[in-house]
Amino acid sequence: AQSVSQHNHHVILSEAASLELGCNYSYGGTVNLFWYVQYPGQHLQLLLKYFSGDPLVKGIKGFEAEFIKSKFSFNLRKPSVQWSDTAEYFCAATPSGGYNKLIFGAGTRLAVHP
Amino acid sequence: EAGVTQFPSHSVIEKGQTVTLRCDPISGHDNLYWYRRVMGKEIKFLLHFVKESKQDESGMPNNRFLAERTGGTYSTLKVQPAELEDSGVYFCASSPRKGSYEQYFGPGTRLTVT
Repeated sequence: AQSVSQHNHHVILSEAASLELGCNYSYGGTVNLFWYVQYPGQHLQLLLKYFSGDPLVKGIKGFEAEFIKSKFSFNLRKPSVQWSDTAEYFCAATPSGGYNKLIFGAGTRLAVHP
Repeated sequence: EAGVTQFPSHSVIEKGQTVTLRCDPISGHDNLYWYRRVMGKEIKFLLHFVKESKQDESGMPNNRFLAERTGGTYSTLKVQPAELEDSGVYFCASSPRKGSYEQYFGPGTRLTVT
């Protein structure tokens, strides 16, 4: 069965620290991969997405993610976090080629302290 | 451009009662999705409409849940009768028929069944 795993449920960082959130997916075919973010009191919004091409994708607010096919991974990174990055982050996957359901990971709550 | 809207934002009902959630997708988006997040767990897919037709309803928990999308515009999700385990946040998302595969999420409806 298709699944997405996020390695950390809670992460606490100080401002300016580097961030890496792990995501692994389980699917035999070609997938589209996404990171969504939910800031406190706001709705889910897309940070970045990978469909094909360059495995290093850049998103909004200085986030990037790297698709490593051999590891079935799509980790999210940011070199220097800010207090405003405090949010919950969701990795998601969907099979390529259709407008299919998203399979989400359990989410990672990030708290950034000033 | 207006985003995806959901109504109500929060609903508290007693076990055995009926609740109807509404989702208005972004105008012109043929695809409409319902998801649910039970507290502390991952966001799970419920069903997918393409216009007024149910494309995939494999995530619907049981026959107490009924989704409709008459006319291919807004959608309703009715829970009848509600049970305690139905509590959670219900998200709606939409995406265009042709485009980037990105799903645009609404703010969610928090359902509490007591």
